[in-house]
Amino acid sequence: AQSVTQLGSHVSVSEGALVLLRCNYSSSVPPYLFWYVQYPNQGLQLLLKYTSAATLVKGINGFEAEFKKSETSFHLTKPSAHMSDAAEYFCAVSGGGSGNTGKLIFGQGTTLQVKP
Amino acid sequence: NAGVTQTPKFRILKIGQSMTLQCTQDMNHNYMYWYRQDPGMGLKLIYYSVGAGITDKGEVPNGYNVSRSTTEDFPLRLELAAPSQTSVYFCASRQDRGEQYFGPGTRLTVT
Repeated sequence: AQSVTQLGSHVSVSEGALVLLRCNYSSSVPPYLFWYVQYPNQGLQLLLKYTSAATLVKGINGFEAEFKKSETSFHLTKPSAHMSDAAEYFCAVSGGGSGNTGKLIFGQGTTLQVKP
Repeated sequence: NAGVTQTPKFRILKIGQSMTLQCTQDMNHNYMYWYRQDPGMGLKLIYYSVGAGITDKGEVPNGYNVSRSTTEDFPLRLELAAPSQTSVYFCASRQDRGEQYFGPGTRLTVT
């Protein structure tokens, strides 16, 4: 079975400050891990993904995440927040490998607020 | 490529009515998915398909049905709408080993 826990349903940072959004996962098989961003009234857009290659993954818009198997974590970071980063962020896990159904299990989401 | 398209964007249903949410992708992806998103919660998988003619239940399938007669289309059917089905519905598709691409969503209200 797989599950995802996002710590903190709401995170507020000042513009230019570090962004840290926390995600812990549980998986009985080697996981694929994803971060998606959702802007108001829009669909989900992929920020980055971990698929068992490099443990430090770089994504779009300056975001990156590090897969830590020992901590079962996949936290999302960005060195300097921009006003345009204000959105809802979802961490998700699926089973890995070819032929896997790719069903995603999502965390409950974290709303990022960026203050001027 | 248009990607994943969904229609309608918005819909209000009365209790007991039926409707079909349409989803089409033009990326020739084998895998397709339907999720629902409720406020303060992540997305929950309703149904998915691994190819034309093959569908299976996800976490929350009750009250819904799907079919997959072509690679491109994956409609979601609500037979007897209930207030608990008020939600935002997202369709997604992916190729093997790839990430999921999401449509813009359908906002459904059942009153």
